Amino acid sequence: DAGVTQSPTHLIKTRGQQVTLRCSPKSGHDTVSWYQQALGQGPQFIFQYYEEEERQRGNFPDRFSGHQFPNYSSELNVNALLLGDSALYLCASRPGGDWGAVEAFFGQGTRLTVV
Amino acid sequence: QKEVEQNSGPLSVPEGAIASLNCTYSDRGSQSFFWYRQYSGKSPELIMSIYSNGDKEDGRFTAQLNKASQYVSLLIRDSQPSDSATYLCAVRTNAGKSTFGDGTTLTVKP
Repeated sequence: DAGVTQSPTHLIKTRGQQVTLRCSPKSGHDTVSWYQQALGQGPQFIFQYYEEEERQRGNFPDRFSGHQFPNYSSELNVNALLLGDSALYLCASRPGGDWGAVEAFFGQGTRLTVV
Repeated sequence: QKEVEQNSGPLSVPEGAIASLNCTYSDRGSQSFFWYRQYSGKSPELIMSIYSNGDKEDGRFTAQLNKASQYVSLLIRDSQPSDSATYLCAVRTNAGKSTFGDGTTLTVKP
């Protein structure tokens, strides 16, 4: 079992550009959550996808959007990149339906640098 | 006020000592509480979860929860240099939203 995998691992983009990050959940997991972790801070919840729909969303602008595919993999898209979007982006997966289930499986993250 | 607050540290303890990490939260509707360990440049790793008041022990780790005081802590006994990391407290409400603290950096000195 490969666990949660994310791609790419590192990315450098220019202000104003758009970026797409990808996540494949752990086998058997159908719920994917995305987090942004700025340097020196804890992960901040962006949104969660379940059954190909956005189920919950944190306090992030509409520039942040996502998608979940029928195989449960997910993408995070960020438009009009700002310098402040530079962060580690984490994907987490878990079985759906249990709201209290712990977020136990994180991918290795994508380090996005906006210059 | 942040929803989940932790002392940023750094917290430094000698090898073999007990490390005590603290976390307070503001949402009284919170039901699930988690501690994660995060090594520099790596993703968070779940080490403990606690759901009811009292203590929960797992090896060298003990989580303590006091819902009335809105306080959760993590004790690490017999601290080892390999325990040096940032420890994140996370809180989840019944609605399933997870909120993380900014973490406490722990250094265990040999």
